[in-house]
Amino acid sequence: DAKTTQPTSMDCAEGRAANLPCNHSTISGNEYVYWYRQIHSQGPQYIIHGLKNNETNEMASLIITEDRKSSTLILPHATLRDTAVYYCIVLRYGTASKLTFGTGTRLQVTL
Amino acid sequence: GAVVSQHPSWVICKSGTSVKIECRSLDFQATTMFWYRQFPKQSLMLMATSNEGSKATYEQGVEKDKFLINHASLTLSTLTVTSAHPEDSSFYICSTGTSGRSGYEQYFGPGTRLTVT
Repeated sequence: DAKTTQPTSMDCAEGRAANLPCNHSTISGNEYVYWYRQIHSQGPQYIIHGLKNNETNEMASLIITEDRKSSTLILPHATLRDTAVYYCIVLRYGTASKLTFGTGTRLQVTL
Repeated sequence: GAVVSQHPSWVICKSGTSVKIECRSLDFQATTMFWYRQFPKQSLMLMATSNEGSKATYEQGVEKDKFLINHASLTLSTLTVTSAHPEDSSFYICSTGTSGRSGYEQYFGPGTRLTVT
């Protein structure tokens, strides 16, 4: 699976949009972009995934560039509870696919 | 999303003893479950892939005789840390995946914090 690069940390004011970038320049055509987050001392939580089209759900939006070499996770109105480590993972679609976690981005939402 | 539970949520044991951690898929059948380990301030590291009715597949560097995995049913996988030592103290997390309308999604348990004294 392709490698991803994310900033180590980011800050965001509560109520503002948090935009978390991810670089995956070696992504293959059959690989999806997944985002997970891990709040301190909890198991990772699935957020969203996509292949090439932009995706939106109740938690976030995922913007994937046309060449698919990078993507951005957007939390439209960040709250203190969104403080977590966010992981961008590239994964070949299919069942029983193991996830390889990088170092992620530590997002700190502040008042 | 799917629900995955783990038991216990935390455990303290003495060095040399064995500890069993359970991972349950509560609302769907899981033919495959994954076991991860996470040390403080580090990312999750995959330890092994647990397959229902067959032997687990271990990642390089993970001792299969020390970390025994049993996946006897479609809803339960267990990880037993045998002869635990302080360096085994870690956060152990299981996960499983399912394919739904929006494709493949993998769900994680809440984790089990093991402290070996």
